[in-house]
Amino acid sequence: QVQLQESGPGLVKPSETLSLTCTVSGGSISKDYWSWFRQPPGERLEWIGYIHYSGTTNYNPSLRSRITMSLDTSKNHFSLKMSSVTAADTAVYYCARHYAYGDYPLDFWGQGTLVTVSS
Amino acid sequence: DIVMTQSPLSLTVTPGEPASISCRSSQSLLHSSGSNYLDWYLQKPGQSPQLLIYLGSTRASGVPDRFSGSGSGTDFTLKINRVEAEDVGVYYCMQAREAPRTFGQGTKVEIK
Repeated sequence: QVQLQESGPGLVKPSETLSLTCTVSGGSISKDYWSWFRQPPGERLEWIGYIHYSGTTNYNPSLRSRITMSLDTSKNHFSLKMSSVTAADTAVYYCARHYAYGDYPLDFWGQGTLVTVSS
Repeated sequence: DIVMTQSPLSLTVTPGEPASISCRSSQSLLHSSGSNYLDWYLQKPGQSPQLLIYLGSTRASGVPDRFSGSGSGTDFTLKINRVEAEDVGVYYCMQAREAPRTFGQGTKVEIK
């Protein structure tokens, strides 16, 4: 059973960089696609982007200029960096795995981590 | 971006009764493979989303057969045959036809 766990600061100051890591257990990140999502309070889910074990990335155009994803196969984790954050970036952030079939749905999710942007 | 619109936004159901949620997309989700790239997720209170249905109508592993997905093109439906107490939460449809993946607003299901 694949398990994902997000980690990172719960509080980030405006204009600074948000950094999160998703550690995968029960499976290897050296296969499949891995995504980040977020959910602002009371709002719908938003896809941030994905990274493939090959290093290929695809980002949401609305966030592309501010985000970078990477992965570390030696630590079996992948990461998200989002620069120049504002209060609008306050949300629960989730990492998830794409099931490698059909429309590549998200079959395993982390529990989520709340990131608050505030001075 | 493809806009996803769900209805109703909330639903109160008596246990054992059926429930139905509609999801419409601003563009067709029909892929050249012949499949519809539409998924359904359930987010139970305090939990992360869990996959229920993918490719419009394929139940994910471990999902009870009281859940079914149907539809094609731009109109889709999630049906719960007989609602149980454990089915409470917010249901989201998500299109996977093109990036960026986008979600509906969510439908909150409560038990009467």
